Amino acid sequence: TQLLEQSPQFLSIQEGENLTVYCNSSSVFSSLQWYRQEPGEGPVLLVTVVTGGEVKKLKRLTFQFGDARKDSSLHITAAQPGDTGLYLCAGARSEGAQKLVFGQGTRLTINP
Amino acid sequence: EAGVAQSPRYKIIEKRQSVAFWCNPISGHATLYWYQQILGQGPKLLIQFQNNGVVDDSQLPKDRFSAERLKGVDSTLKIQPAKLEDSAVYLCASSILPGQGHFPHYEQYFGPGTRLTVT
Repeated sequence: TQLLEQSPQFLSIQEGENLTVYCNSSSVFSSLQWYRQEPGEGPVLLVTVVTGGEVKKLKRLTFQFGDARKDSSLHITAAQPGDTGLYLCAGARSEGAQKLVFGQGTRLTINP
Repeated sequence: EAGVAQSPRYKIIEKRQSVAFWCNPISGHATLYWYQQILGQGPKLLIQFQNNGVVDDSQLPKDRFSAERLKGVDSTLKIQPAKLEDSAVYLCASSILPGQGHFPHYEQYFGPGTRLTVT
């Protein structure tokens, strides 16, 4: 059973377009993290969202945590080839919990 | 600050052989994790150590996988005997202990992983 479902699993778009990636669950999480993983490397943390409804921005990336803390989204504006990678969401079930549950990832390709 | 180190980066073995992976976490990080990432999937936690004690090994296939962190620093993950379905990237990550930082949601720092191919 996949606790965190990411969609789409694959996305290929042209440079300059906008996109949104979703991370959904039927479970409540105390926090949710987004990672980016490039080929041959481990995941690197982009952001942690904690409060329901929270919105965080990282340059052209906007992250939102759902009001009920069961889902999250990542929106990229004017995508660049450097945004190419595997985007993973990961949730912590309780505050202070170190164990993370990962989604299956969204593989994003930005074509020049 | 040096990151999480892992070796080897790549390993190819035949089924039924044994293999070992090594991880050196970030200095001062008391918590160490081993994950298995099968192609097309997200990382799955195999085992979590806090210092040299096991916190969670509920998803570790204990009939063939073992891990140790004897001195609370480096860790080794072993597979014996390997099966075809063990082909994956094995990621090591580390983080600080709860209470070491005031932020309650702890970032995990990942190493580059070891890509294992079992033929």
